[in-house]
Amino acid sequence: QKEVEQNSGPLSVPEGAIASLNCTYSDRGSQSFFWYRQYSGKSPELIMFIYSNGDKEDGRFTAQLNKASQYVSLLIRDSQPSDSATYLCAVNNAGGGNKLTFGTGTQLKVEL
Amino acid sequence: NAGVTQTPKFQVLKTGQSMTLQCAQDMNHNSMYWYRQDPGMGLRLIYYSASEGTTDKGEVPNGYNVSRLNKREFSLRLESAAPSQTSVYFCASSEARYEQYFGPGTRLTVT
Repeated sequence: QKEVEQNSGPLSVPEGAIASLNCTYSDRGSQSFFWYRQYSGKSPELIMFIYSNGDKEDGRFTAQLNKASQYVSLLIRDSQPSDSATYLCAVNNAGGGNKLTFGTGTQLKVEL
Repeated sequence: NAGVTQTPKFQVLKTGQSMTLQCAQDMNHNSMYWYRQDPGMGLRLIYYSASEGTTDKGEVPNGYNVSRLNKREFSLRLESAAPSQTSVYFCASSEARYEQYFGPGTRLTVT
C-alpha cells in the first residue's frame, strides 16, 4: 500500500468550475500536509499547507484536512486554464523527521 | 534572494562516468534534500541532511553519495553513472518540519 495516494487523472474541468483534488495517506501520526503545483518541465511549487483538521483558504484555493479519515483535499474555485498542471500531495510523517512523502500527483486540465 | 539554485540544468553522461550535482540555498534553512522524479513514480527521496554536518539515506540511495559542504550547499555525486539513473533531479530545502522549497532541477541522461 502506497503511503500517499492520489488519482493520477487527468481530471478535466471547464473554466470557471471548482476543481477538487483528493489525497489519502496511511500514517495516522502524520502531522503536516502540503499541496504542490508542478507545471510540465518545471519544479514543484508550494501552494498550500495545512496542519489542523478543517479548512484553510488562500485566495481561490482551499485545503481541507480530515485526520480521522486520513484524507486531505484541495479545492480550486473559478478554475483557470493557467491552473492546468500536476498537483502533488505531500505528507510529513510522525516518525519521519523533516522528510516528506509525496503522492504521484493528479493531472488537472482546465478546458476553455 | 535566489532561493534554491542547482547546477547544471542539463547533463548527458556515458555509462560509468561520474559527476556531481550542485545545490545551494540562500534562505538560511537547516534541512536540505535530494529527490529524483521519474514518470509515474513521483518524487523519491535519495538523501537528506537534517542539519549541517549530518546526512541520511532516503528511499533510493543506492548509486549516490552526498556532501553537506556547509549550511548553504548540498551536493549529490554519481560515482559510476548507470542508465537507470536517467531522471530529473531536484534539490529542496526547508526549516525543520515545515514546507520544502525546490530548485529548478537537473535533467540527467545516461547513455
